[in-house]
Amino acid sequence: GIQVEQSPPDLILQEGANSTLRCNFSDSVNNLQWFHQNPWGQLINLFYIPSGTKQNGRLSATTVATERYSLLYISSSQTTDSGVYFCAVAQYSGGGADGLTFGKGTHLIIQP
Amino acid sequence: AAGVIQSPRHLIKEKRETATLKCYPIPRHDTVYWYQQGPGQDPQFLISFYEKMQSDKGSIPDRFSAQQFSDYHSELNMSSLELGDSALYFCASGSLYEQYFGPGTRLTVT
Repeated sequence: GIQVEQSPPDLILQEGANSTLRCNFSDSVNNLQWFHQNPWGQLINLFYIPSGTKQNGRLSATTVATERYSLLYISSSQTTDSGVYFCAVAQYSGGGADGLTFGKGTHLIIQP
Repeated sequence: AAGVIQSPRHLIKEKRETATLKCYPIPRHDTVYWYQQGPGQDPQFLISFYEKMQSDKGSIPDRFSAQQFSDYHSELNMSSLELGDSALYFCASGSLYEQYFGPGTRLTVT
């Protein structure tokens, strides 16, 4: 199956700092999503981005499908950004309902 | 906007008991997915349904079964519960490729 690697595994930053999280995947994908899991366990959709670049406020993401990686940028970090950031991918065999394969996540701590 | 609804949100069961988790997808979404996330782990895909038919199968134990009903809601049935089944269970729904996750059901097996 497809492999997903995220880096760094852990990141500790001061409030106001910027960060870049990386996701490498081993094969072509039809779906790539970034999630933020908050301390209460909720998985929050950040981006659906199988290719290209998107921005939403202080967050942006870029996926270079031909080189099999995606980057999540967080600018001007706030303490509420703390949590685990997951990258997840899927290849679709034609049925259109294939499950996502998640990376191990990046555990981000923003200190005040 | 309407989101995925899961019930119950918390569930405590004893070993060897059964549990049923319910998922109500976002309206007009025809696909439902189930995931299991153990403590400190990433979510693992269990099973999915498209238009009430099983579509994809992941690492779902034989003790677990699931189905999608005519109103598109889905249920995950878990029997002979084991301590290792304690986890957060997510349901997600979608209409094409993007998946939208519910708040999860936290199952504790004692």
